[in-house]
Amino acid sequence: DAGVIQSPRHEVTEMGQEVTLRCKPISGHNSLFWYRQTMMRGLELLIYFNNNVPIDDSGMPEDRFSAKMPNASFSTLKIQPSEPRDSAVYFCASTKGGLAGREQFFGPGTRLTVL
Amino acid sequence: SQQGEEDPQALSIQEGENATMNCSYKTSINNLQWYRQNSGRGLVHLILIRSNEREKHSGRLRVTLDTSKKSSSLLITASRAADTASYFCATDVGGDGRQLTFGSGTQLTVLP
Repeated sequence: DAGVIQSPRHEVTEMGQEVTLRCKPISGHNSLFWYRQTMMRGLELLIYFNNNVPIDDSGMPEDRFSAKMPNASFSTLKIQPSEPRDSAVYFCASTKGGLAGREQFFGPGTRLTVL
Repeated sequence: SQQGEEDPQALSIQEGENATMNCSYKTSINNLQWYRQNSGRGLVHLILIRSNEREKHSGRLRVTLDTSKKSSSLLITASRAADTASYFCATDVGGDGRQLTFGSGTQLTVLP
């Protein structure tokens, strides 16, 4: 299995630009998570989907952030417009969940730098 | 504040020594999980311990859970330089793995 795939691995953009991060979860996993990791705030859950439906987006910092999961094998996290304080590593994770498996599998992350 | 808080924040030991990391949490949980993160990589699941378990082993890893004290410890025996990483505990309240709350992590450095 290829594991969770994220792209791009690195993104450098200028303030005000739109940024789109992409994720392909492990096949057969029905829950997908977007996390943000910074030195100051640690690992924060932004949003998670169950069977492609957003369940909890209370961690999304503000309206500039949006996430979609159009099908079971693809999700995007969009920031528009981006700001320097959005600089962080963004992780996508997936799990089967429930009795089928409670551990989450993380992608390699996207390191975002907003200048 | 975060559900899981690890201590120490950083730990440096010699190869061959044992490393112990602790995690404290605030609410009742279904299970607690430990993850490792190598520099520049995503988190990798190490071990899960259920609330009705007190101790669990996996290779050189030993995890304990004390629900009365709301604390857990991760012991890595006979450490190796390759164990150098950050270690996070994650609490699962609902028990379905969909809402994990991660602690701030312990940075472990194993010196050759």
